[in-house]
Amino acid sequence: NAGVTQTPKFQVLKTGQSMTLQCAQDMNHNSMYWYRQDPGMGLRLIYYSASEGTTDKGEVPNGYNVSRLNKREFSLRLESAAPSQTSVYFCASRPTGGYGYTFGSGTRLTVV
Amino acid sequence: AQSVTQLGSHVSVSEGALVLLRCNYSSSVPPYLFWYVQYPNQGLQLLLKYTTGATLVKGINGFEAEFKKSETSFHLTKPSAHMSDAAEYFCAVREGGANNLFFGTGTRLTVIP
Repeated sequence: NAGVTQTPKFQVLKTGQSMTLQCAQDMNHNSMYWYRQDPGMGLRLIYYSASEGTTDKGEVPNGYNVSRLNKREFSLRLESAAPSQTSVYFCASRPTGGYGYTFGSGTRLTVV
Repeated sequence: AQSVTQLGSHVSVSEGALVLLRCNYSSSVPPYLFWYVQYPNQGLQLLLKYTTGATLVKGINGFEAEFKKSETSFHLTKPSAHMSDAAEYFCAVREGGANNLFFGTGTRLTVIP
């Protein structure tokens, strides 16, 4: 099925460990986004990529890095995980000129 | 600056009753407005959106919302709640040309049989 695929779905990390969250979309969308969802805070933008080869910071970029590997893939990396990064992470994509964002099913990350 | 306020973090309605979820926004330019629904342990699904034109927009599952510029509101309604409507609902706003979609903090809807 067409859409946004995120891996892994669940992950537990120890403080200080690193990991990369993967996101791929097969809808030929130009823009891709990483959000985090925390209870009572809605979704907040971490980073986005308006097109292949470009990335920009969102509201809460500290502690994260991203790579737009190609048009399909946009990864999020935690270099040194902290308990404050425990969250559910969502990847989304949007076509150029389009209004709606398509979201993946999320990655639930726990940092202990 | 853009922002979204959802009044009521939890709303309970009886099955068959009217659903009203409130959303107010602030935006310096005409906004694009969205409602998303999230079922437990799932991603977000678009319910409906307002971009331009008709201010009353209809979405999936019998939901609709009305854009009221004078009140800076975009409340979500459904005439008759169904058990399957129990979920968390997010209002979101994007200013035209901007890349970020700003979300409200969400409203959890409970439907009582």
